[in-house]
Amino acid sequence: AQSVAQPEDQVNVAEGNPLTVKCTYSVSGNPYLFWYVQYPNRGLQFLLKYITGDNLVKGSYGFEAEFNKSQTSFHLKKPSALVSDSALYFCVPKGSNDYKLSFGAGTTVTVRA
Amino acid sequence: NAGVTQTPKFQVLKTGQSMTLQCAQDMNHNSMYWYRQDPGMGLRLIYYSASEGTTDKGEVPNGYNVSRLNKREFSLRLESAAPSQTSVYFCASSEPGSGREYFGPGTRLTVT
Repeated sequence: AQSVAQPEDQVNVAEGNPLTVKCTYSVSGNPYLFWYVQYPNRGLQFLLKYITGDNLVKGSYGFEAEFNKSQTSFHLKKPSALVSDSALYFCVPKGSNDYKLSFGAGTTVTVRA
Repeated sequence: NAGVTQTPKFQVLKTGQSMTLQCAQDMNHNSMYWYRQDPGMGLRLIYYSASEGTTDKGEVPNGYNVSRLNKREFSLRLESAAPSQTSVYFCASSEPGSGREYFGPGTRLTVT
């Protein structure tokens, strides 16, 4: 079984400030971890993934995430947020033997000018 | 590459009507998925198809049927629409190995 927890329903930051979206997960076997973003009235876009290797993963639009096995966390970060980063963010785990991804409700990020 | 395409983009049905949502991918992926997204609930898996010729139920299959017509196409059918099926529906296909999923633009369905 796999599950995800994004403890904050909403994150509000000022443009130019660092942005962090928290995620903890539970999977059977080795984790595959993804971050997806959904802009208003749009489909889901892939940001980055961790499968193996370096714990710090860099992705699209200046985002990065750090895999922490001991804390079962995969927090998403961006050093300097933009108003255009305002969107719904999903942390999505998958066990190596699972057939599907697990989505939670996500975290809504609002970046104010 | 068009990626994952879905038709229609919008649809309004009356209770009891039927319809089929179409999905196609041109990435030669084996696995395809149908999700629904409701406010505050993330995406929930309706049905998936691990490969051509196979389909399996996900978390919320009741009221839906699917057909994996060929490797490219995976359709979702509502036989008798209900207001509870008002939602946004996403089709996805997945990349071999990592399982990264590629999503279509979605179909916004309203059942009155």
